[in-house]
Amino acid sequence: DAGVIQSPRHEVTEMGQEVTLRCKPISGHDYLFWYRQTMMRGLELLIYFNNNVPIDDSGMPEDRFSAKMPNASFSTLKIQPSEPRDSAVYFCASSGGTVSEDEQFFGPGTRLTVL
Amino acid sequence: RKEVEQDPGPFNVPEGATVAFNCTYSNSASQSFFWYRQDCRKEPKLLMSVYSSGNEDGRFTAQLNRASQYISLLIRDSKLSDSATYLCVVNPTAESSASKIIFGSGTRLSIRP
Repeated sequence: DAGVIQSPRHEVTEMGQEVTLRCKPISGHDYLFWYRQTMMRGLELLIYFNNNVPIDDSGMPEDRFSAKMPNASFSTLKIQPSEPRDSAVYFCASSGGTVSEDEQFFGPGTRLTVL
Repeated sequence: RKEVEQDPGPFNVPEGATVAFNCTYSNSASQSFFWYRQDCRKEPKLLMSVYSSGNEDGRFTAQLNRASQYISLLIRDSKLSDSATYLCVVNPTAESSASKIIFGSGTRLSIRP
């Protein structure tokens, strides 16, 4: 199994630009999570989906952030317009399936820098 | 008060030493507890779940104290490869463990030769 796949791995953009982060969860997992990690705030849950449906988006910082999951194998996190304070590592994770349902499997993350 | 609190460290200990971390949680109804490990510039990975009776996996022992609302991780005979950040994770609800969980800010451990 390839694990959770995220792209791009690194993104450098200028303030005001739109940023789209992508995630492919592990096949068969029915939960998908988006996290943001910074030195100051640690790992924060932004939103999670169950069976492609958003369940809790209370962690999404503001309207500039949006997430979609059009099918079981793909999700996006979009920031529009981006700001320097959005600079962080964004992780996607998935869980569920038949083995170790409790465990969340993380992708390698996207390191975002907004200038 | 944060839902999950950890001593950020860093803990700097010699190879072969025993080291222990504690983590406190605020919601007494919390049902599931875990320790994750995160290497520098890598993603978090599950180290072990924490069961009520305590559990051991090789050199690692996890304990849960519901009365005092804390969990602990003990590492015996530490190796250089144990250097990482250890994240305490709590599911604050009775829902499925696969749903919303809370990560602590992590305890940084550095093992020196």
